[in-house]
Amino acid sequence: NAGVTQTPKFQVLKTGQSMTLQCAQDMNHEYMSWYRQDPGMGLRLIHYSVGAGITDQGEVPNGYNVSRSTTEDFPLRLLSAAPSQTSVYFCASSYSNRAKETQYFGPGTRLLVL
Amino acid sequence: KNQVEQSPQSLIILEGKNCTLQCNYTVSPFSNLRWYKQDTGRGPVSLTIMTFSENTKSNGRYTATLDADTKQSSLHITASQLSDSASYICVVSAGGGSYIPTFGRGTSLIVHP
Repeated sequence: NAGVTQTPKFQVLKTGQSMTLQCAQDMNHEYMSWYRQDPGMGLRLIHYSVGAGITDQGEVPNGYNVSRSTTEDFPLRLLSAAPSQTSVYFCASSYSNRAKETQYFGPGTRLLVL
Repeated sequence: KNQVEQSPQSLIILEGKNCTLQCNYTVSPFSNLRWYKQDTGRGPVSLTIMTFSENTKSNGRYTATLDADTKQSSLHITASQLSDSASYICVVSAGGGSYIPTFGRGTSLIVHP
């Protein structure tokens, strides 16, 4: 198993540009989520999905869109990038969102918005 | 507001020594508490998961404890190794249908030879 994969590893955008961060998992996990990690702060949940076709907002959803057309993929779209979206983005997955389920994180995408 | 506070912010120890990291939380209602290890430039890796009924959980040289009454948890690392140098993150999830976990800022541990 490749686990959770994310592409690209690093991206530089100009303010106003759009892009999609890719996330895929090959563990047949139902629950997938996107987080951002900023210096001096804990990870914060952006969006999550409990299964194909079902998504919901997390703590900091503004400026981001998601969709879940397949179990394997959960892309994160930045509609119009802003410098405040400079961050490290992590995708994570687990079999379910039950209390004892282990969550697996991807290696992260480092985004710089100029 | 749900909060998770970790201490110390950073810690330096010598290889072979033990250390204990602390986590205090105000998340309610409580569902579970997790400890993660995050190496520099990598994603977090799960170490332990504890629910309300569990007060200790081990994973090799890592032992987590939970006191749900005082809303405190600790992560004890025994016989530290250079590879233990990382950030250790405490995460608390609420019950009641909430899917939004609360992450602590992490404790940065450096193990010197």
